Amino acid sequence: EDQVTQSPEALRLQEGESSSLNCSYTVSGLRGLFWYRQDPGKGPEFLFTLYSAGEEKEKERLKATLTKKESFLHITAPKPEDSATYLCAVQVGGAQKLVFGQGTRLTINP
Amino acid sequence: SQTIHQWPATLVQPVGSPLSLECTVEGTSNPNLYWYRQAAGRGLQLLFYSVGIGQISSEVPQNLSASRPQDRQFILSSKKLLLSDSGFYLCAWSTHEAFFGQGTRLTVV
Repeated sequence: EDQVTQSPEALRLQEGESSSLNCSYTVSGLRGLFWYRQDPGKGPEFLFTLYSAGEEKEKERLKATLTKKESFLHITAPKPEDSATYLCAVQVGGAQKLVFGQGTRLTINP
Repeated sequence: SQTIHQWPATLVQPVGSPLSLECTVEGTSNPNLYWYRQAAGRGLQLLFYSVGIGQISSEVPQNLSASRPQDRQFILSSKKLLLSDSGFYLCAWSTHEAFFGQGTRLTVV
């Protein structure tokens, strides 16, 4: 069965304190790994797509990396506005269906 | 640019009442369309997806149904709501990455 596990469930950082979020996956044939940001009461906002091990993508203070078994979302010198839940998903099968992890709730204190 | 509209934003319905949530997409043709549900503190679960008009695939057995009467319109329905149908419902479209609407918070009382 395709599974995605994110850790930690919740993370509190001070402003400027860099850290990483983990997404480990078990799928039969990865077609893509996706990172989303979700603010409370809102729909997820697309951040990155990664397709193959060794691939990296960057956007402002965020950097996503991919290995054969996991992905990391690195956040460098975060600001309070980076506080959100970060969701990881893998594309499985046809029709671009996604299997999501539980998310990591990130809080950045000023 | 593409946009996705989902409504209503919040809904409180009594047990046993019908449901109809609507989603429309603008700025793209023949997208794949999806309905996801997010229970409190949990990840998103795929409920239905559609690769074309009238084509609906169900991922989990449940009290809900979906329809796609037009290329860019996707509807989630129920004839009789259960308490367990409460949750945050999200519509999404994809031609490669998936883009989500703002969601409907459904509370069944």
